[in-house]
Amino acid sequence: AQSVTQLDSQVPVFEEAPVELRCNYSSSVSVYLFWYVQYPNQGLQLLLKYLSGSTLVESINGFEAEFNKSQTSFHLRKPSVHISDTAEYFCAVSGGSYIPTFGRGTSLIVHP
Amino acid sequence: NAGVTQTPKFQVLKTGQSMTLQCAQDMNHNSMYWYRQDPGMGLRLIYYSASEGTTDKGEVPNGYNVSRLNKREFSLRLESAAPSQTSVYFCASSFTLGLAGGMGPYEQFFGPGTRLTVL
Repeated sequence: AQSVTQLDSQVPVFEEAPVELRCNYSSSVSVYLFWYVQYPNQGLQLLLKYLSGSTLVESINGFEAEFNKSQTSFHLRKPSVHISDTAEYFCAVSGGSYIPTFGRGTSLIVHP
Repeated sequence: NAGVTQTPKFQVLKTGQSMTLQCAQDMNHNSMYWYRQDPGMGLRLIYYSASEGTTDKGEVPNGYNVSRLNKREFSLRLESAAPSQTSVYFCASSFTLGLAGGMGPYEQFFGPGTRLTVL
């Protein structure tokens, strides 16, 4: 069985400040990890993923996440956020099957 | 290349009415999924289809049925709608681990959603 915990339901932050969205997982097998982003009134889209290799993965719009096996975490970070980053962010884990389990989501609210 | 499309975008039903949500993908994906999204609950899997001709229950299948019509299309049916089924419904598709070669699992591609209200 696998599960995902997103520790914050809402994260307010000012524009140009750094942000970290936390994600912890549990799984009895090797895992693959994903972050998806959902902009208002849209479907989810992949932000970044960890399958193997380097534990630090990056997205094209400045987000990064680090796979930490010992702490079973996959936190998402960005050094300087923009208003346009306001969205819902979902962490997902996929273990032995190809079907991911999603966290409950973290709402990132960027204030000017 | 439209990706994943869903119809309708919005729907209001009365309790007891039935309806079918349609989903289609043009990416030649093997697997398709139906999720519902409720505030504070994240995404919960209703049904999925690993490949054409197969369907399986997810976390919250009660009150729903599905049909994998062909490789492209996967529909979700509510036979007798209840207010508890008020939600936003998302269809998704992906390649399946081991079937498309290379490394997996593969990312899911989501449709824009159907906002359903049951009165």
